[in-house]
Amino acid sequence: DAGVTQSPTHLIKTRGQQVTLRCSPKSGHDTVSWYQQALGQGPQFIFQYYEEEERQRGNFPDRFSGHQFPNYSSELNVNALLLGDSALYLCASSKRTGWSTEAFFGQGTRLTVV
Amino acid sequence: RKEVEQDPGPFNVPEGATVAFNCTYSNSASQSFFWYRQDCRKEPKLLMSVYSSGNEDGRFTAQLNRASQYISLLIRDSKLSDSATYLCVVNILGNTPLVFGKGTRLSVIA
Repeated sequence: DAGVTQSPTHLIKTRGQQVTLRCSPKSGHDTVSWYQQALGQGPQFIFQYYEEEERQRGNFPDRFSGHQFPNYSSELNVNALLLGDSALYLCASSKRTGWSTEAFFGQGTRLTVV
Repeated sequence: RKEVEQDPGPFNVPEGATVAFNCTYSNSASQSFFWYRQDCRKEPKLLMSVYSSGNEDGRFTAQLNRASQYISLLIRDSKLSDSATYLCVVNILGNTPLVFGKGTRLSVIA
């Protein structure tokens, strides 16, 4: 059973460019959440997708957008990249219930903006 | 005030030592509590959930004090392989985002 997979694993972009990161959730999971982890910090919530809609959003600008596909996979798009967007981007998948369930993380995409 | 605050690290301890990590959270509506472990340049992985009655998993013991909004993790008989960053994580409801502390880095030294 494949866990959460993210692609690419590493990426280098130039300021002002746009980037798309991809995530395939664990089998049986229907909810995908994206987190940004800067060096030396804990992961910060960006947004969550369920049933192809953004359900919740953290304190991130509109430059950060996403999408969820019918097969539950998801994309994170960042426009007009800034140096400060350099971070590890983590995708977490879970099964949507009314109770807390374990979230499984992908290995992350390390984005460097130069 | 940050939503989840942890002991500043790093903690450098010898093998066999007992080490304790503390964490406080600000949202009294929080319902679920976890400790995640994150190895260098890897993704966070669930170490253990934290229950009101306290829970133990081998050398690891987690405790929760809802009145004080305080969570702890105790590691006994530290191993070199315990070296990692330990993240305190809080969740209000099952479908709400996980809120992470900054993490505390542990280095176990031979």
